[in-house]
Amino acid sequence: EVQLLESGGGLVQPGGSLRLSCAASGFTFASYAMSWVRLAPGRGLEWVSSISGGGGRTYYADAVKGRFTISRDPSSNTLYLQMNSLRGEDTALYYCARDQGTTVTTWFDPWGQGTLVTVSS
Amino acid sequence: QSVLTQPPSPSGTPGQRVTISCSGSSSNIGSNTVNWYQQLPGTAPKLLIYSNNQRPSGVPDRFSGSKSGTSASLAISGLQSEDEADYYCAAWDDSLNGPVFGGGTKLTVL
Repeated sequence: EVQLLESGGGLVQPGGSLRLSCAASGFTFASYAMSWVRLAPGRGLEWVSSISGGGGRTYYADAVKGRFTISRDPSSNTLYLQMNSLRGEDTALYYCARDQGTTVTTWFDPWGQGTLVTVSS
Repeated sequence: QSVLTQPPSPSGTPGQRVTISCSGSSSNIGSNTVNWYQQLPGTAPKLLIYSNNQRPSGVPDRFSGSKSGTSASLAISGLQSEDEADYYCAAWDDSLNGPVFGGGTKLTVL
């Protein structure tokens, strides 16, 4: 069974940093692109970042470009999102999701249960 | 402000047919396929429709998708109470070089 388990969320002050993790199991991790998508209070889903199966290609939403870094570790089947210079508008439930193949597309399925990031002083 | 535009809050009664629209532009829906996601209250989103009109295994055929030009639609026939959820469209945007979502549509079943 495919499972995605996010962790690393929490309360952080504006300007601070957090690293989110997504532990993957039940499939060949390197064969699939992976993404982070967030759901902010009162707002809809927002794509954050994606990485190809081999890790060679990364993509970022304009809202996080230059502040967030996506990466993956094939030895531990883990996806990461390093978030720096956090702002109030980054407050959201962050989901990791698997793609359909090695290339990044708009296929997000399955999803993890999410990890909550709150940016507040 | 989402790149893809969806209506805010349609409603329907059990058994009815409801349509949710998703409007985009030539850089996203006009040149790429559309996926739809369903998010039931308190749960993670789930892929509902892919490649404009394809249903993943397990999705009832009450759900159907279509695309024309720079717009797409999700239709739900035989509406059921368990269909009450948020629905999102998504497409690749060539200008932004990444996926974009619609603002979401909260469907209420009366």
